[in-house]
Amino acid sequence: DAGVIQSPRHEVTEMGQEVTLRCKPISGHDYLFWYRQTMMRGLELLIYFNNNVPIDDSGMPEDRFSAKMPNASFSTLKIQPSEPRDSAVYFCASTYRLTYYEQYFGPGTRLTVT
Amino acid sequence: GENVEQHPSTLSVQEGDSAVIKCTYSDSASNYFPWYKQELGKGPQLIIDIRSNVGEKKDQRIAVTLNKTAKHFSLHITETQPEDSAVYFCAARDGSSNTGKLIFGQGTTLQVKP
Repeated sequence: DAGVIQSPRHEVTEMGQEVTLRCKPISGHDYLFWYRQTMMRGLELLIYFNNNVPIDDSGMPEDRFSAKMPNASFSTLKIQPSEPRDSAVYFCASTYRLTYYEQYFGPGTRLTVT
Repeated sequence: GENVEQHPSTLSVQEGDSAVIKCTYSDSASNYFPWYKQELGKGPQLIIDIRSNVGEKKDQRIAVTLNKTAKHFSLHITETQPEDSAVYFCAARDGSSNTGKLIFGQGTTLQVKP
């Protein structure tokens, strides 16, 4: 398997613009997690899905953030409108319930909002 | 909820020396403790993990110990090499959920000097 795939790898946008980050989990995995990493706050869990259903979105910063998982092989994290404080590296990770301990991370998307 | 504290935040050792990173957790129901290594520009990668029914686990030069009574666990790297230089994260599985949700420590930047 190719592992968790994220796109784009880098995104530079202007404040106020909409940003969409994409993730393809490992085939067969039924849990998907979105994380944000910054120097100040470390690695934060934003939201996670089980079988395409959002389970816990308590880490989503505010209403500007939304996430969807329309099918088992694709998820998006959208920020609208984006702000400079959203600049961070966003990671997607997936795991499977029978080995649900082991999360596999994607390479991340580095977002810069100017 | 679970809280994970990690120390030290930075660690510098001479090649060949040992490195130890320590973490404490708050939720006595936590039962799984992975360690991740993050190299520059990459996502975190699982390097070793331990479950609450085991006190120690080794994999070549790395080992993890768990003290459930004191609620702390440690990563030990022996005979360090320059390629061990990276950021290391400990994590604890959220004991209140049954979904593999992980709570991460703040990370330790390890520098191995040749």
